[in-house]
Amino acid sequence: AQKITQTQPGMFVQEKEAVTLDCTYDTSDQSYGLFWYKQPSSGEMIFLIYQGSYDEQNATEGRYSLNFQKARKSANLVISASQLGDSAMYFCAGWSGGGADGLTFGKGTHLIIQP
Amino acid sequence: NAGVTQTPKFQVLKTGQSMTLQCAQDMNHNSMYWYRQDPGMGLRLIYYSASEGTTDKGEVPNGYNVSRLNKREFSLRLESAAPSQTSVYFCASSGTSGRALNEQFFGPGTRLTVL
Repeated sequence: AQKITQTQPGMFVQEKEAVTLDCTYDTSDQSYGLFWYKQPSSGEMIFLIYQGSYDEQNATEGRYSLNFQKARKSANLVISASQLGDSAMYFCAGWSGGGADGLTFGKGTHLIIQP
Repeated sequence: NAGVTQTPKFQVLKTGQSMTLQCAQDMNHNSMYWYRQDPGMGLRLIYYSASEGTTDKGEVPNGYNVSRLNKREFSLRLESAAPSQTSVYFCASSGTSGRALNEQFFGPGTRLTVL
């Protein structure tokens, strides 16, 4: 099983600035996957980006990129050119081993984008 | 394409009452999951079903039962609700091998209050 740690309970960022949300993971498995989800105030979980342990390149999805550093066991989310609509809770999550036994989540980071 | 659907969206119970939360997915995924989210926390896994006909306990299974009715449907039952089960419940589904493991999609959630 994975252990996921998010150390930033909250962040305030000016609109249009880039944002980095931290996530570290801990697993002894060679095969694992890492996710980032966005949870707006309406409550739904929105998938943002995925990185597999064997993926050679960092994942990117539009304005989202994942800064994957295996040696440091970190999987930070980078949001370029932040927008007011990016204000939300952000969760890092991961699976390890077989992968079919669910995700382990971090406690989340509350991101507030200021105009 | 509905994705993952959950019913009901809101529910208020009295201590000791029972209820079943319903979940269905139309993505032909093998694996399905039930999570709960408490205030200020990430999601925690209650039960999962890696394939039709199998179910397994997650991190917080006490007080819950599940049924994998068929490949599409996975229900969560509270036999005797307790105030500690007040939470938001999310159902999710995923593939179980290869690139399908990067598909972890969530339903909209059920907000349950136990008085």
